[in-house]
Amino acid sequence: QQQVKQSPQSLIVQKGGISIINCAYENTAFDYFPWYQQFPGKGPALLIAIRPDVSEKKEGRFTISFNKSAKQFSLHIMDSQPGDSATYFCAASRRGSQGNLIFGKGTKLSVKP
Amino acid sequence: NAGVTQTPKFQVLKTGQSMTLQCAQDMNHNSMYWYRQDPGMGLRLIYYSASEGTTDKGEVPNGYNVSRLNKREFSLRLESAAPSQTSVYFCASWGQGRRTEAFFGQGTRLTVV
Repeated sequence: QQQVKQSPQSLIVQKGGISIINCAYENTAFDYFPWYQQFPGKGPALLIAIRPDVSEKKEGRFTISFNKSAKQFSLHIMDSQPGDSATYFCAASRRGSQGNLIFGKGTKLSVKP
Repeated sequence: NAGVTQTPKFQVLKTGQSMTLQCAQDMNHNSMYWYRQDPGMGLRLIYYSASEGTTDKGEVPNGYNVSRLNKREFSLRLESAAPSQTSVYFCASWGQGRRTEAFFGQGTRLTVV
């Protein structure tokens, strides 16, 4: 059973556009929801994270929207740039074991100049 | 500050051979993790160590063993490699940096032929 479902698998966006990646989770015990960015040949790096006590978190051009009742969260990248081209993973973990991350399958984002 | 360092970066093994993947972190974190990344599968947790002296199984532990040598080092051993273990392996530590987060190494690309 896949605990964190991510969509789409791939996404092509024009420079300056908005990139939106969605995730849904099953386990209501999850209470930490990070997004990771990974460039080819590199390890994942934390982009932004949210906890379920807030519905939105913004850091620069990156925003997480969180819907606790629907068990869904999404990443919005505003003013997308070619340098944002990477693979993005959503993840989730439970209280008390927040480093034990359950990852989505990833979204490959390409931003066209 | 090196963060999380993995060795080797690349390795080719023959079926049945054994090897140990090394991981060290210099951030004084208690918790360390081994993940594997396969195409279209995201990252999956193999084993983790919540603190020095403890290890626990993750989602996909079969065929692997781990050793938490000290607070800095966490190794992953393949006793008898199989082609199904062809993957990219990431070590991570969890703790305080600019944020509380998981820090990933650069990965070890392992091919079993």
